[in-house]
Amino acid sequence: AAGVIQSPRHLIKEKRETATLKCYPIPRHDTVYWYQQGPGQDPQFLISFYEKMQSDKGSIPDRFSAQQFSDYHSELNMSSLELGDSALYFCASSTPDSMNTEAFFGQGTRLTVV
Amino acid sequence: AQSVTQLDSQVPVFEEAPVELRCNYSSSVSVYLFWYVQYPNQGLQLLLKYLSGSTLVKGINGFEAEFNKSQTSFHLRKPSVHISDTAEYFCAVSRPDTGRRALTFGSGTRLQVQP
Repeated sequence: AAGVIQSPRHLIKEKRETATLKCYPIPRHDTVYWYQQGPGQDPQFLISFYEKMQSDKGSIPDRFSAQQFSDYHSELNMSSLELGDSALYFCASSTPDSMNTEAFFGQGTRLTVV
Repeated sequence: AQSVTQLDSQVPVFEEAPVELRCNYSSSVSVYLFWYVQYPNQGLQLLLKYLSGSTLVKGINGFEAEFNKSQTSFHLRKPSVHISDTAEYFCAVSRPDTGRRALTFGSGTRLQVQP
């Protein structure tokens, strides 16, 4: 079965650079969530989109932005990268039918800022 | 706002022994409860979930959890663990009443199964 696809799987950037992470949800899933998991930390919710509109916002820094496109894939744009942005970034998707009941996670993108 | 507390950061256990991973939540309203497993360098996989109804929930890989409303707990159990169960386990909640579907996670419990 198709799963949530994230790209790239690994990314190394220097401080003050920008990065773009991509997420392709499971087909027919219209909701995308982004989470950040620092080393040894639990995942923290960043932002979510439903039907291409922002539906909820968590602890996303102002340096980050995200959007969901017409094909429902989403991109997380990160600017002025800091060492503390090094983390595993997860994308998850869900359907209206599974509202509040289940989100399927991708394998994550490991971002390392040096 | 809701919060999740996982009381043990690490749980070492011998293979074929039973295990319980503890999770307590705090919320003034009803929540949905989840357990996710994360293997090294992998994403999060749903083990089981409690939405309503029977308080004993069975999940994949032989895991089960019991929802206890009076104790605001949702502890995960397995009667006999395998080496392959070694992973990080996260308890999580969501708030169905708000329409906010994002998950709030606990800090995780590392299950270490020893031969």
